[in-house]
Amino acid sequence: DVKVTQSSRYLVKRTGEKVFLECVQDMDHENMFWYRQDPGLGLRLIYFSYDVKMKEKGDIPEGYSVSREKKERFSLILESASTNQTSMYLCASRGRLAGNNYEQYFGPGTRLTVT
Amino acid sequence: QKEVEQNSGPLSVPEGAIASLNCTYSDRGSQSFFWYRQYSGKSPELIMSIYSNGDKEDGRFTAQLNKASQYVSLLIRDSQPSDSATYLCAGGGDYKLSFGAGTTVTVRA
Repeated sequence: DVKVTQSSRYLVKRTGEKVFLECVQDMDHENMFWYRQDPGLGLRLIYFSYDVKMKEKGDIPEGYSVSREKKERFSLILESASTNQTSMYLCASRGRLAGNNYEQYFGPGTRLTVT
Repeated sequence: QKEVEQNSGPLSVPEGAIASLNCTYSDRGSQSFFWYRQYSGKSPELIMSIYSNGDKEDGRFTAQLNKASQYVSLLIRDSQPSDSATYLCAGGGDYKLSFGAGTTVTVRA
């Protein structure tokens, strides 16, 4: 079974704080992703990484950065948290199956509240 | 235009009935398609993957893919109250998936 874990289920931070969200997968997957999910806006891609030390901007990267120093770990950093970053943050990991097929799995999510 | 559109829902079905969910996509380069189930307050759970035209069955779930018409569907047979959730359709190519907005299904006991 693929396992994607996230460091916290719930987090409360103050405006202006630097926030670290960590994600770990145990299946040696190359691709990892960070999304946020908000009511009425659906899932939005923040950043993704297709290999160690590689990163690509998603659709809404502003105010975020990422780090992938090891294959199994992908961190999302909120440089200076703001109230509009209150959201559910979802990490995902993608692994290849036979041929060019793949499957993507999500972690349990971190519900971040910025006050 | 969104890359993946889910245009059915919310859907309310009686217990034991078939729930039918539909999804269309705009990127003809998309190769892989997925259905995720998401319970309220939880993260999406992968329930079906489909990569080639036709039907794929897994238990009470059947996914259908028609690349010529650019649509994907999910049938849930013998619907149970535990199937009440939001179902997300997703499709993509090599790196990124595009997700639909989701269809909320309620199964009435």
